Amino acid sequence: AQRVTQPEKLLSVFKGAPVELKCNYSYSGSPELFWYVQYSRQRLQLLLRHISRESIKGFTADLNKGETSFHLKKPFAQEEDSAMYYCALHGSSNTGKLIFGQGTTLQVKP
Amino acid sequence: KAGVTQTPRYLIKTRGQQVTLSCSPISGHRSVSWYQQTPGQGLQFLFEYFSETQRNKGNFPGRFSGRQFSNSRSEMNVSTLELGDSALYLCASSSTGTSTVTQYFGPGTRLLVL
Repeated sequence: AQRVTQPEKLLSVFKGAPVELKCNYSYSGSPELFWYVQYSRQRLQLLLRHISRESIKGFTADLNKGETSFHLKKPFAQEEDSAMYYCALHGSSNTGKLIFGQGTTLQVKP
Repeated sequence: KAGVTQTPRYLIKTRGQQVTLSCSPISGHRSVSWYQQTPGQGLQFLFEYFSETQRNKGNFPGRFSGRQFSNSRSEMNVSTLELGDSALYLCASSSTGTSTVTQYFGPGTRLLVL
């Protein structure tokens, strides 16, 4: 079964602390994974995708096929990083279906 | 470019009624996907349309249906509403719907069923 699990509903850190948002997936085949973010009163938007291997707003995520994980990391959290983060799996490469995790609220305290 | 728009933004209906939600994708985008977001179940895929054809469907009852028009605008219909249908309904558009392109989400339609 295709599934995405985000074990933490809420992650609270202080400004300047490292952040790691956990994501595990279940998928047979080559997974295509994404992180989406929703800031307060804004739309859900793409943060990064694993195939790009890029760093966006200081965030990176590495796909670990052995551990079936795609954790999102940032070395130094900023208050403006406070948002809801969703890990998502592309359910089928030829369609628009995304399978989302339950989401993790990141709260960065001053 | 204008973003994805959804109308109406808010709806209140009673059980047994039906409802139609609309999604206008970004100009040039041919793929439109629909999602239901609830506190308990999170974001769940409903269906995807590409060039007026349903290309994929999630695990929802037949009361949930959709269509796409030649201008790529999409509508979603829910018949015989139940209390559990109360949710935020999001649509997302992309040029092709494949994993290599970005999906852009609309602001959502919040449906309350009484």
